[in-house]
Amino acid sequence: GQSLEQPSEVTAVEGAIVQINCTYQTSGFYGLSWYQQHDGGAPTFLSYNALDGLEETGRFSSFLSRSDSYGYLLLQELQMKDSASYFCAPLSTGFQKLVFGTGTRLLVSP
Amino acid sequence: DAGVTQSPTHLIKTRGQQVTLRCSPKSGHDTVSWYQQALGQGPQFIFQYYEEEERQRGNFPDRFSGHQFPNYSSELNVNALLLGDSALYLCASSLGLAGGSYEQYFGPGTRLTVT
Repeated sequence: GQSLEQPSEVTAVEGAIVQINCTYQTSGFYGLSWYQQHDGGAPTFLSYNALDGLEETGRFSSFLSRSDSYGYLLLQELQMKDSASYFCAPLSTGFQKLVFGTGTRLLVSP
Repeated sequence: DAGVTQSPTHLIKTRGQQVTLRCSPKSGHDTVSWYQQALGQGPQFIFQYYEEEERQRGNFPDRFSGHQFPNYSSELNVNALLLGDSALYLCASSLGLAGGSYEQYFGPGTRLTVT
């Protein structure tokens, strides 16, 4: 079967650093994607990890530990526009579909 | 470079009716996936089309069906609409099957309301 866990909500202030954790149980795990979705908007791709370690893309970084079935998204120098929902989405070998959980709602305050 | 487009933007239907939603993928993409997103939830995978065939399917009843055309555009059809089908329907495109599906480009969605 499959399971996915993320915190439902995280709050932070502008300029801070926040980490959104994701634990998964996915048969045939292939990699972990992260998506951002603003209220009323479409999900947009942020990052992908196929191998263990850290991937950095500007202010955003994503980490994966395959042995722990764990990943996280790190957002630095938070801005108000980062207030959105963030989804981790595991990808399975042979199953070309993304599995989204309920996501983490990030609220950034001044 | 045109992104993913969907039509219509909003739709109101009555229980028992049928609906067709349309999607044009991002230029250069050949794979289309459909998702249903209820309010406050993450997108739920419906199915994926590649080379005009359904390649993967999520836990959705046969009332949900689709089609992909030679130009890679796609349709989602839902028959015998239920109130619970009210949701945002998202189309996402990607390039190829293996390895490409981790980065999908989503359209703005169609908001379906069933009354």
